[in-house]
Amino acid sequence: QVHLVQSGAEVKKPGTSVKLSCKASGYIFSTYVMHWVRQAPGQRPEWMGGINAANDEAKYSQRFRGRVSITTDTSANTAYMELSSLTSEDTAVYYCARDHYGDYWYFDFWGRGTLVTVSS
Amino acid sequence: DIVMTQSPDSLAVSLGERATINCKSSQSVLHFSNNRNYLAWYQQKLGQPPRLLIYWASTRESGVPDRFSGSGSGTDFTLTISSLQAEDVAVYYCQQYYDMYTFGQGTKLEIK
Repeated sequence: QVHLVQSGAEVKKPGTSVKLSCKASGYIFSTYVMHWVRQAPGQRPEWMGGINAANDEAKYSQRFRGRVSITTDTSANTAYMELSSLTSEDTAVYYCARDHYGDYWYFDFWGRGTLVTVSS
Repeated sequence: DIVMTQSPDSLAVSLGERATINCKSSQSVLHFSNNRNYLAWYQQKLGQPPRLLIYWASTRESGVPDRFSGSGSGTDFTLTISSLQAEDVAVYYCQQYYDMYTFGQGTKLEIK
C-alpha cells in the first residue's frame, strides 16, 4: 500500500529556510507527480507546487515562485520541498501528496504533514 | 486564479439525514477536449490530512462509501451525503485542477 512518510516538525527563525522531506513507498516513485500543499491553522489547503518524478520537471504556484524549490531523489524514493525567506505567515502544516496519475490531476494519497513554526 | 466558493460555511444535519454541500468556481472547469470536469472533493477530519472522496466531479474514489456522491458541471457542483453517519463529521473541501490548483474555503459538517 502507498505510504508517504514526512520529516519531523521544525521551528525556524524569520528570514531562514526550511527543507522538508517526503519518503514514498508502495508504488513506483518515478512514475508519479508529487505535490506539496500547505495549510495554515483554520485555513483552506494551498497548493505550493509539484514535481514529475519521471523527469524532475517542477511547477510552482505563482504565489511561491522564487521562494520554493521542489526536488526528488529517485534512488531514495524521496521528494523534498525547500522554502526560503520564511516569515510568521509561513507557519503551517506542510503536506506532500501524490498525484493520481503521472500528470497534474487530483491527489490520492497524502502524508501526515509536517508542522513548521516560524517564530523569533 | 480560479476562485472556489463553497456554501454553506457550516452545516448541522441529523444522523441518517441528507447533507448537501455546494461549490462554485469562478470559471468553468469543464475541459471540452475530454468532457471532464476537473473538480475533486476531499474530507478532512480533525488532525488528519485531507482524504480524496470524489474526482472528475462524480467518480467515487475506491473505498469511499456509496452514501457519498458528487454532481454538477461547468461552474456548479454538489457533494451529497445521502444518510449522515457519525464518522462523517469533518470539513469538506472542493478543489479544481483545471488550472493549477485551488481549494474552496471548506464546509464544516456537524451532527444536529
